[in-house]
Amino acid sequence: NAGVTQTPKFRVLKTGQSMTLLCAQDMNHEYMYWYRQDPGMGLRLIHYSVGEGTTAKGEVPDGYNVSRLKKQNFLLGLESAAPSQTSVYFCASSYLGGSNQPQHFGDGTRLSIL
Amino acid sequence: LAKTTQPISMDSYEGQEVNITCSHNNIATNDYITWYQQFPSQGPRFIIQGYKTKVTNEVASLFIPADRKSSTLSLPRVSLSDTAVYYCLVGSTDSWGKLQFGAGTQVVVTP
Repeated sequence: NAGVTQTPKFRVLKTGQSMTLLCAQDMNHEYMYWYRQDPGMGLRLIHYSVGEGTTAKGEVPDGYNVSRLKKQNFLLGLESAAPSQTSVYFCASSYLGGSNQPQHFGDGTRLSIL
Repeated sequence: LAKTTQPISMDSYEGQEVNITCSHNNIATNDYITWYQQFPSQGPRFIIQGYKTKVTNEVASLFIPADRKSSTLSLPRVSLSDTAVYYCLVGSTDSWGKLQFGAGTQVVVTP
C-alpha cells in the first residue's frame, strides 16, 4: 500500500524557472493538502482541495498554483521560482476534512532555488 | 484553533519512558488532541488522538486531565528509533482542514 507518493524527491531550480510537484494517493481520500516546512518551523498550509476539481488557498498561497483534475492527484506548481520558495514540500490527504482528522503525509520534495 | 506549547527538546536513554507535555489553555469544547511523529527526511505520521482521559495504542499513551488544558504523550521504553520530532495539535471538525504545527519537540534517544 503506497499511501501518499510525491515526485520528485529532490529538485534544484534556478530563479525564474517553473516546475510542477506531483502528489498521488491511493486511499480514495477526498481531501488533499500541500504544506511547506522550513528549518525550525512547523508545517504551513499552501493550498488544499476538498475534492476532485476543487482547490482553495491556505495560509501561504502566494507564488503557487494547484490543480486537482483527478481525485487521486494533487499538483503544486511554481510559475516563477524564487529563492524564498526553497523548502521541503509535503503533500497530505485525509478521508474527512476537519482539523481533527488524521492526515496521511508523503515523504516530501526537497526543493532548492538558486 | 487553540495554540499549543510544548518543550523544544528532550533527551532520553534507551529503555526509559519519555513523557512530553503539551499545553493548550484555550482548547475548545469540540477540540480533539492529536499527536504526530516526524522522522528525518519523512513526512509527519499520525500516532495518537484523544478527547479526554486516557488513550493507549501500540505506539504510545495519551493522558488528558479533566480540564483538558494540557495533555501528555507517553512513549514507553524508548529505543533509538524513537528519535524524532513530536507535534501536538488541537482541532475539531469545525475548524476545517488546517493543521497548525508548531515547532514540535525534538526527542533524542541515546544508548
